[in-house]
Amino acid sequence: EAGVVQSPRYKIIEKKQPVAFWCNPISGHNTLYWYRQNLGQGPELLIRYENEEAVDDSQLPKDRFSAERLKGVDSTLKIQPAELGDSAVYLCASSPFPGLAGGPVEQFFGPGTRLTVL
Amino acid sequence: AQSVTQLDSHVSVSEGTPVLLRCNYSSSYSPSLFWYVQHPNKGLQLLLKYTSAATLVKGINGFEAEFKKSETSFHLTKPSAHMSDAAEYFCVVSESHISGGYNKLIFGAGTRLAVHP
Repeated sequence: EAGVVQSPRYKIIEKKQPVAFWCNPISGHNTLYWYRQNLGQGPELLIRYENEEAVDDSQLPKDRFSAERLKGVDSTLKIQPAELGDSAVYLCASSPFPGLAGGPVEQFFGPGTRLTVL
Repeated sequence: AQSVTQLDSHVSVSEGTPVLLRCNYSSSYSPSLFWYVQHPNKGLQLLLKYTSAATLVKGINGFEAEFKKSETSFHLTKPSAHMSDAAEYFCVVSESHISGGYNKLIFGAGTRLAVHP
């Protein structure tokens, strides 16, 4: 079974330039997450989608960050314009529908996109 | 609010010796706790999870963790380290919601494990 796919794996841009990251979740997973991982820290949630609906974007800096998940499958995260402080690893994760039993479901992570802003 | 503290940023052990990675958590609710491992250039992988069942949780690759409510700890252990265990380890806490299965994950800062021959 293919895991979560992300591209590109690495991106180097100059500040004020736009950048976009792409994520393809595991087939059948309805929940998709974008995280940001700063150097030496754990990942922090930016946005969560249930199918095509963004249900938690409280941590997304909306002045420069945007995301979309058209058709409830692939997702794109965009930064425009990028700032020096945006240098980080951007992780995408997905999880299946929890079902009637409830309880926490496992999130499956992609390898991430390492962004360097010069 | 939930939070997690990993007490060591770096741990170094010799191959074949025990591993102990320490984690303390804070949670207002009945917590679910996880350990994830991150190898270089690879995605985070779930090692094990605690969800209010048995307090001693066994995971993959010989790792296990014990939930101690009185100490608010969830330390990760392995009896004998292998070279392939060298990686970054994250302790994670989430709030168990009564309805639905969504759990917002709160990650610790990570512990880098080095294994020497």
